[in-house]
Amino acid sequence: SAVISQKPSRDICQRGTSLTIQCQVDSQVTMMFWYRQQPGQSLTLIATANQGSEATYESGFVIDKFPISRPNLTFSTLTVSNMSPEDSSIYLCGVESGTDTQYFGPGTRLTVL
Amino acid sequence: AQSVTQPDIHITVSEGASLELRCNYSYGATPYLFWYVQSPGQGLQLLLKYFSGDTLVQGIKGFEAEFKRSQSSFNLRKPSVHWSDAAEYFCAVGRGGTASKLTFGTGTRLQVTL
Repeated sequence: SAVISQKPSRDICQRGTSLTIQCQVDSQVTMMFWYRQQPGQSLTLIATANQGSEATYESGFVIDKFPISRPNLTFSTLTVSNMSPEDSSIYLCGVESGTDTQYFGPGTRLTVL
Repeated sequence: AQSVTQPDIHITVSEGASLELRCNYSYGATPYLFWYVQSPGQGLQLLLKYFSGDTLVQGIKGFEAEFKRSQSSFNLRKPSVHWSDAAEYFCAVGRGGTASKLTFGTGTRLQVTL
């Protein structure tokens, strides 16, 4: 299985600011994903981070709000821009391994005041 | 589009009792199905998966799940629950017959009484 780390593990931010979340994998993976888990809710896919091309966003999520980078096969970042309290969530990075399985990082708990 | 329904929001069982968590999916072809567990303050841990072969799959921590195509179900079971099993359980289906772009159910919170 892939070992995934995320930074920061948690943060408290002010309204209107931006936060960049990092996801690092211990092996090269083709596909990386970003999910959001709002308080008391399930996980919702934000976007797929593609290496060498632009990220693919799900309905309801836009690049201006959640810009994503994927500079290589082991790393990706998600930025939450111009934050509001509604962005308070856990953000999780997922990677699909070569064994038809998706593994997840520990998550970044974001609180926006 | 695929979807996942977990009808039980919250389940309470006694330690040592058996457990069954329900999951129904909507998908046109043979789905890739997963069960994950999320303990308080923790990330998601994969319990088991199914995408072909034997319809009864074994996972970690003594869990198993049975794929029933006729009922569009993938229920999770454990014969004897331990207090450490208290957590949130999520059923998920992969989009396009892969493990990519998972659609998750709303989750079932398991409480274990001693």
